Amino acid sequence: AQKVTQAQTEISVVEKEDVTLDCVYETRDTTYYLFWYKQPPSGELVFLIRRNSFDEQNEISGRYSWNFQKSTSSFNFTITASQVVDSAVYFCALSEGDSGYSTLTFGKGTMLLVSP
Amino acid sequence: KAGVTQTPRYLIKTRGQQVTLSCSPISGHRSVSWYQQTPGQGLQFLFEYFSETQRNKGNFPGRFSGRQFSNSRSEMNVSTLELGDSALYLCASSPATGVNNYGYTFGSGTRLTVV
Repeated sequence: AQKVTQAQTEISVVEKEDVTLDCVYETRDTTYYLFWYKQPPSGELVFLIRRNSFDEQNEISGRYSWNFQKSTSSFNFTITASQVVDSAVYFCALSEGDSGYSTLTFGKGTMLLVSP
Repeated sequence: KAGVTQTPRYLIKTRGQQVTLSCSPISGHRSVSWYQQTPGQGLQFLFEYFSETQRNKGNFPGRFSGRQFSNSRSEMNVSTLELGDSALYLCASSPATGVNNYGYTFGSGTRLTVV
């Protein structure tokens, strides 16, 4: 069965610090997708990134970067020079298979609090 | 373009009652999925609808049901409400079935409180 673990329940940083959110996943499939979502206090889940299991390239998007390592089953997310607006709950999610029946299995989330 | 719209935003119901939540997907999106978010269980998949047919269902009791209309709008219904049904219910829309193909766009959710 698939599983996503986000060991960090809550992280507090001061603005401009770098912060890394950890995500470890379990799956028996060779084809799978990994996602990160951000949930601000308003409630909606905002899509950040999707990565398939065959693409281990790290990705950078502005202040955000993602480190995907199949050898350790990890898909970590780093925010560089954090800002107060980054405060939110961040979810890592996994979807197995390559079909139209794929759904998301979420981790428990990491609450990030960035103070001025 | 307009995002995913969920109504109502907040609901308070009494144990034993039933409730209907509504979701209007992004224009052109034909798949609607529902997720339940609680502090204890986190985010869990409820079901997915595509072209008015339920394509996939999560591990929830039969009290949870849904449907999709010809305009892709979806409703979910919970009958005989229990205190444990208190949650944020999130709707997600996608152009086609399965999250892998196109990803999801989520709505802001309906927060249901059962008293």
